[in-house]
Amino acid sequence: AQKVTQAQTEISVVEKEDVTLDCVYETRDTTYYLFWYKQPPSGELVFLIRRNSFDEQNEISGRYSWNFQKSTSSFNFTITASQVVDSAVYFCALSENAGNNRKLIWGLGTSLAVNP
Amino acid sequence: EPEVTQTPSHQVTQMGQEVILRCVPISNHLYFYWYRQILGQKVEFLVSFYNNEISEKSEIFDDQFSVERPDGSNFTLKIRSTKLEDSAMYFCASIFGQAFYFGPGTRLTVT
Repeated sequence: AQKVTQAQTEISVVEKEDVTLDCVYETRDTTYYLFWYKQPPSGELVFLIRRNSFDEQNEISGRYSWNFQKSTSSFNFTITASQVVDSAVYFCALSENAGNNRKLIWGLGTSLAVNP
Repeated sequence: EPEVTQTPSHQVTQMGQEVILRCVPISNHLYFYWYRQILGQKVEFLVSFYNNEISEKSEIFDDQFSVERPDGSNFTLKIRSTKLEDSAMYFCASIFGQAFYFGPGTRLTVT
C-alpha cells in the first residue's frame, strides 16, 4: 500500500539557517508523482513542487531545493537561508498513476518554526 | 491564473444540523475531490468525483456525506447531520493531468 512518512514532527531553526525536511514514501507503482505543499498559519495549501518518478533530477527554485532519490524512496526538501516567512507546516504527498482517478496520499506534515 | 474557490470560508453550525460546503472548480477540469484536515492533523482524502458520479470514496465518507455537481460549475459537499468530530478544514480540489489545484478551504466548526 502507498504511504508517506515525514518523521520530523516539528523543527525549530534560527533565521538564516539551512533546514532539510525529510520525506520517505512507499508505493508499488513504477509511475507516481511526489508533491510538497506549504500550509501557512492562514490554512491554505500552497503548491510547491511536483515531481514524477521518472525524473530524478534535483530541482532548485530560489532558496528551495528538492532531492529525489528513488533508491532510498526519499524526496527531501531543503530551505536555504531560512526566513521567518518560511514558518509553516510542510506536507509531502504521493499520487499514484491509478488510471485517471488520482488521489493524494499525505504525510503527517512537518511544522517548521523559523525564529528571528 | 484560474483558481478553485470555496464558500464559505468559515461555517459554524450546531451538532445535528445539515451543512453544505460549496466549491467552484476550474472550468475545464474533469476530476474533483474533497479532502478534510482535522486541526493539527494530516490531510485526508474523502471522495473523488468524475462524470457526475463518485469515483472513489474513503471510509470516512459514510452515509452522512454526499456530493453533487448541481449546475455544471458548483461542486458541493453535504453533511446531513453534523457531529462534533466533523469539525475540520475541508478542501476542494480539481486536477488537470497530475496538477492538483486546491481551494482555500472552508473551516467547519461544529458546536
